[in-house]
Amino acid sequence: DVLMTQSPLSLPVTLGQPASISCRSSQSLVYSDGNTYLNWFQQRPGQSPRRLMYKVSNRDSGVPDRFSGSGSGTDFTLKISRVEAEDVGIYYCMQGAHWPPSFGQGTKLEIK
Amino acid sequence: QVQLQESGPGLVKPSQTLSLTCTVSGGSISSGGYYWSWIRQHPGKGLEWIGCIYHTGSTNYNPSLKSRVIISVDTSKNQFSLKLSSVTAADTAVYYCARGGGYYDLLAGYLYGLYFDYWGQGTLVTVSS
Repeated sequence: DVLMTQSPLSLPVTLGQPASISCRSSQSLVYSDGNTYLNWFQQRPGQSPRRLMYKVSNRDSGVPDRFSGSGSGTDFTLKISRVEAEDVGIYYCMQGAHWPPSFGQGTKLEIK
Repeated sequence: QVQLQESGPGLVKPSQTLSLTCTVSGGSISSGGYYWSWIRQHPGKGLEWIGCIYHTGSTNYNPSLKSRVIISVDTSKNQFSLKLSSVTAADTAVYYCARGGGYYDLLAGYLYGLYFDYWGQGTLVTVSS
């Protein structure tokens, strides 16, 4: 299975400050069709996960533009330009390029 | 707006079979175009994809659970279901159903590009005697 490794696992951030989460895969996530199948999910406390990004950098409908995704191959980053209180939760990366699909262990974002 | 709702027993005895149903509203499973998945989250842990089904009944399972999992679909009720046999305490988790998309690679023989865009609220299943 493809191993997805996130860092940091805990991310205390001051309101209004930027935040960055790294996700590294044990194999390239570029599929033979040329697409890179890397998703980001947000799980707020007590809620189900919600997809934020797909194919590295495509924001889902309703996701604020302060969220951005970047990266290629095996290294990916989710950035929040200015953290707001509603961003508290756990963030997961997930790969869909290899069988079976797999998630990172999660990064817990909290307000400092 | 698509909505999914899990239902089933919250307590299952060791060695028995865990059975859950996901009821879909706001969209039809039989319309096709989507894969309907089960995903679980162990207490305080990350997410694990269990398997998925297409409206035709075609299934795909995580190899780590394949020997114990059956996912089925009832398009007349707009539901799909999970059965996990021979459960142990390690199967205690919140179980989510989710809708998603993906592609089937005929040459490779597996799904790729899987994603999950709508999730149920999740249901906690505890395995204990």
